[in-house]
Amino acid sequence: DAMVIQNPRYQVTQFGKPVTLSCSQTLNHNVMYWYQQKSSQAPKLLFHYYDKDFNNEADTPDNFQSRRPNTSFCFLDIRSPGLGDAAMYLCATSRVTSEGIQYFGAGTRLSVL
Amino acid sequence: AQSVAQPEDQVNVAEGNPLTVKCTYSVSGNPYLFWYVQYPNRGLQFLLKYITGDNLVKGSYGFEAEFNKSQTSFHLKKPSALVSDSALYFCAVRRSNDYKLSFGAGTTVTVRA
Repeated sequence: DAMVIQNPRYQVTQFGKPVTLSCSQTLNHNVMYWYQQKSSQAPKLLFHYYDKDFNNEADTPDNFQSRRPNTSFCFLDIRSPGLGDAAMYLCATSRVTSEGIQYFGAGTRLSVL
Repeated sequence: AQSVAQPEDQVNVAEGNPLTVKCTYSVSGNPYLFWYVQYPNRGLQFLLKYITGDNLVKGSYGFEAEFNKSQTSFHLKKPSALVSDSALYFCAVRRSNDYKLSFGAGTTVTVRA
């Protein structure tokens, strides 16, 4: 059974039209991450939540925002998508323990027309 | 700072032959090392980890990896590759006092029948 669920799996949006990607988890992990992955490259961390504390990576564009209304859900908002934002977006969760394995969702592939 | 190098973009092997995917790392302190696999249009799937203890760790689907501290390496191995092992493999590292991962660039494995 999927433990980190991303919706939708595929999203098409228009240039400049806001879009929201969704992630939910059944693992009760306190850390949730959003990554951007382009064409089989390494995932690039955009930001993460440790409980309700938001942590932005220094090079994440302002165009990307996130919300975590509760432990189970986390959203990625792209305010004005550009062509360069077309990518796979991966959500992951982990527990802050000595192991801290990150568990990933299946991803949302975003296309920008 | 922490980083991971996967020196081979691609590895090609025949089914039934041994498979090795190379990884070297750089991190201050004791490393926590991970291997993930990604199938097309899917998220990353955890394979195995090294935290402490035995240098040879066994993971899912018959994969194993050997931690070598003197060579700062964590190579992934499988004694007999299957066509279904064809995928993109990522090595990742984090520090013991952190929970953010640094990923290598990935290695595409192709197993031919």
